[in-house]
Amino acid sequence: QLVLTQSPSASASLGASVKLTCTLSSGHSSYAIAWHQQQPEKGPRYLMKVNSDGSHSKGDGIPDRFSGSSSGAERYLSISSLQSEDEADYYCQTWGTGIQVFGGGTKLIVL
Amino acid sequence: QVQLQESGPGLVKPSQTLSLTCTVSGGSISRGDYYWSWIRQHPGKGLEWIGYIYSSGSTYYNPSLKSRPTISLYTSKNQFSLKLSSVTAADTAVYYCARGGYCSGGSCYLLMDSWGPGTLVTVSS
Repeated sequence: QLVLTQSPSASASLGASVKLTCTLSSGHSSYAIAWHQQQPEKGPRYLMKVNSDGSHSKGDGIPDRFSGSSSGAERYLSISSLQSEDEADYYCQTWGTGIQVFGGGTKLIVL
Repeated sequence: QVQLQESGPGLVKPSQTLSLTCTVSGGSISRGDYYWSWIRQHPGKGLEWIGYIYSSGSTYYNPSLKSRPTISLYTSKNQFSLKLSSVTAADTAVYYCARGGYCSGGSCYLLMDSWGPGTLVTVSS
């Protein structure tokens, strides 16, 4: 079964860096994923696609502070020079034949 | 850049059918190999995929919703719709439409790369 696992919360200080993790279920380590950001009281926004080889392609207007990478079944979203507006929920998402799947989301708190 | 906007009743009675429309601008819904998705978010919870329709008209739905959703394309209006039958209070949520993916170079990527702002639907008598 295709499942994505995320830590419920993370925190980091203003101006620092943070790395969020999304883990693919067993047998699905070759899958690409997408990262989405949802700021408080707003709809989600697409950030980027992250491939199994670690390459990534960002959506329009996404700042250079955001990047993606991979290791095995884990997919990462890294954010550098944290700003207050980065405080948000971050969801990973993947797909299979006839299905789209979301992770449970990580709430990022900027201290 | 494609833009999407959900519309429909904000209040639906239990056992009735929820009906929402997504209007797409900035690109034709029938051109290219695109997927069009519906997603919902219960209050204070995460995102739940409801289903998608491919530009050819083929559809796939979340099995957990037990045959209640129907997604349709209306190419002449550049819209697609969601109908969810036999609703209960558990269907109260913010509903989002999104461009749910694309095909390129022989591969398809079912990721939501453009989202609507969402619309709250409350199920209550």
